[in-house]
Amino acid sequence: GENVEQHPSTLSVQEGDSAVIKCTYSDSASNYFPWYKQELGKRPQLIIDIRSNVGEKKDQRIAVTLNKTAKHFSLHITETQPEDSAVYFCAARRPGSARQLTFGSGTQLTVLP
Amino acid sequence: ETGVTQSPTHLIKTRGQQVTLRCSSQSGHNTVSWYQQALGQGPQFIFQYYREEENGRGNFPPRFSGLQFPNYSSELNVNALELDDSALYLCASSLAGRDSGANVLTFGAGSRLTVL
Repeated sequence: GENVEQHPSTLSVQEGDSAVIKCTYSDSASNYFPWYKQELGKRPQLIIDIRSNVGEKKDQRIAVTLNKTAKHFSLHITETQPEDSAVYFCAARRPGSARQLTFGSGTQLTVLP
Repeated sequence: ETGVTQSPTHLIKTRGQQVTLRCSSQSGHNTVSWYQQALGQGPQFIFQYYREEENGRGNFPPRFSGLQFPNYSSELNVNALELDDSALYLCASSLAGRDSGANVLTFGAGSRLTVL
């Protein structure tokens, strides 16, 4: 089955700096890669996603890049703000009847004021 | 439009007991997935329901079972609870389809189960 590895597990940045979180996946058939943000005690919320037919997607301060050959994808947050502090999860999904997401183990991002 | 709602929010059970968790899907969604999130880990797929039938299952034993009702709401049942079942159980709904916006999961806030 699919396996997703996520690094780093913790990341601290100064407010205004950029943050990058990286994930690798094992199943070359996977074609959908969402990123979720989970604040303490809250539900995971989709912040951006990318499909395998594009290499990059951007939404304001957030961008995701995908390298299908290397089977890795990354989340980039620019001009970080304290409210960006949360746990971020990457995930991958292959085509199929259940369309289940396989999640990485998460990155605790702390933005220091 | 309402989001995904889950109940109860917290519960405590003892080993060997049974538990039922409930989920109401987001308006317009017809598919429900359940995930188990252990402390400090990413969510793990338990199973998915579509058209009131199980539509895929992760690596969980048969004592984890579920139902989907005609209104697309769902239940997760866990029998013979074990200590390792302590976790946050997340329900996510989606709309099955081929459009670019289809199959995007919207999560509920979860039910936190503690097994003593």
